[in-house]
Amino acid sequence: QKEVEQDPGPLSVPEGAIVSLNCTYSNSAFQYFMWYRQYSRKGPELLMYTYSSGNKEDGRFTAQVDKSSKYISLFIRDSQPSDSATYLCAMTLSNYGQNFVFGPGTRLSVLP
Amino acid sequence: DTEVTQTPKHLVMGMTNKKSLKCEQHMGHRAMYWYKQKAKKPPELMFVYSYEKLSINESVPSRFSPECPNSSLLNLHLHALQPEDSALYLCASSQGPGLAGTGELFFGEGSRLTVL
Repeated sequence: QKEVEQDPGPLSVPEGAIVSLNCTYSNSAFQYFMWYRQYSRKGPELLMYTYSSGNKEDGRFTAQVDKSSKYISLFIRDSQPSDSATYLCAMTLSNYGQNFVFGPGTRLSVLP
Repeated sequence: DTEVTQTPKHLVMGMTNKKSLKCEQHMGHRAMYWYKQKAKKPPELMFVYSYEKLSINESVPSRFSPECPNSSLLNLHLHALQPEDSALYLCASSQGPGLAGTGELFFGEGSRLTVL
């Protein structure tokens, strides 16, 4: 079993849809969770950073962590064609952790 | 815009060349990283520097040689590379141990390397 699993997609949605992206993980010691957006041939851009369980909202993005289920989600409201990218989840054990474990990424395509 | 700057953005080199990739950050971070990313794969950790000392080396071949001249700069020296080393090389930084604040990992835009 991989340490972090993520549906690779591609996921295609119409413009304006609500998108749900998910990761599951096996190590219950992970405490800090990140979501990145990566456009083709560019570096990953940090979207959300959350600690432990709960929700965090930033504009059209909401990150949700359920540590009891070892499951994290990123919701994108009112999706736009510019949201078309690969979304990577990542997690680490501590606030100064240097071992960041990445999911394989989900390719999202938002169709106009 | 990312606060981690990488140069060059693109590099083409032959198998006998020696070249370097450079990375700079001014966020006061004390942990800096090199990752390698192949197409449709997540970033793969190569090296971590913590307070300018090499703290993690993920069994990377010696043809890749990292260097951290000071807390803001990170270099990756390349020599005698193979075509399979062609990839996007990403520099990243995070606050590091012992500092106040949060521990996000910030990436640069990457250096796309092609080895002929």
